[in-house]
Amino acid sequence: DAGVTQSPTHLIKTRGQHVTLRCSPISGHKSVSWYQQVLGQGPQFIFQYYEKEERGRGNFPDRFSARQFPNYSSELNVNALLLGDSALYLCASSSGAQNTEAFFGQGTRLTVV
Amino acid sequence: DAKTTQPPSMDCAEGRAANLPCNHSTISGNEYVYWYRQIHSQGPQYIIHGLKNNETNEMASLIITEDRKSSTLILPHATLRDTAVYYCIVRASNSGGSNYKLTFGKGTLLTVNP
Repeated sequence: DAGVTQSPTHLIKTRGQHVTLRCSPISGHKSVSWYQQVLGQGPQFIFQYYEKEERGRGNFPDRFSARQFPNYSSELNVNALLLGDSALYLCASSSGAQNTEAFFGQGTRLTVV
Repeated sequence: DAKTTQPPSMDCAEGRAANLPCNHSTISGNEYVYWYRQIHSQGPQYIIHGLKNNETNEMASLIITEDRKSSTLILPHATLRDTAVYYCIVRASNSGGSNYKLTFGKGTLLTVNP
């Protein structure tokens, strides 16, 4: 079975540009969450989507947005990139059932120069 | 979600049991204890979770104290591939699909030595 897949794996962008990161959850999973992990820190929660609706949002500026599609895949968009947005962006999927675990993808390494 | 406290680093000899402690003294009755690990530059990997009973799976055992204020993750026979950052996370019971948020701290860097 395919796990959580994220694309691209690595990306280099210039300050002020826009970026779109993509995530395909495990088949049958309806919940997708996004996390940002800067070097030396644990992942920080950005968004959670379930059944195409936003169910949770972390403490990130409005430059960060996301959406979930009918097939439950998801996109994370970041506008007006800053150097500080350089991080590993992780996507996690879960079935949506009560008290189940989340499965993470390998992440997208974003470097802003 | 309740805050957790973990030692920043631990060492373990290969083949021995690794016991990783976690304090969560403010845990409330509906909060679960989850453990994840992250091998360098990879996504976090789920290990185990529990509410109040001890749990065991093919990867590890989770021992939760009776007052639920602390827990220990046990890797029974550590290998070099178990070298990773281990995160203890307390998370409220979710009502099916809503508000699935994991609050990660800095975790414990476990180094398994040959």
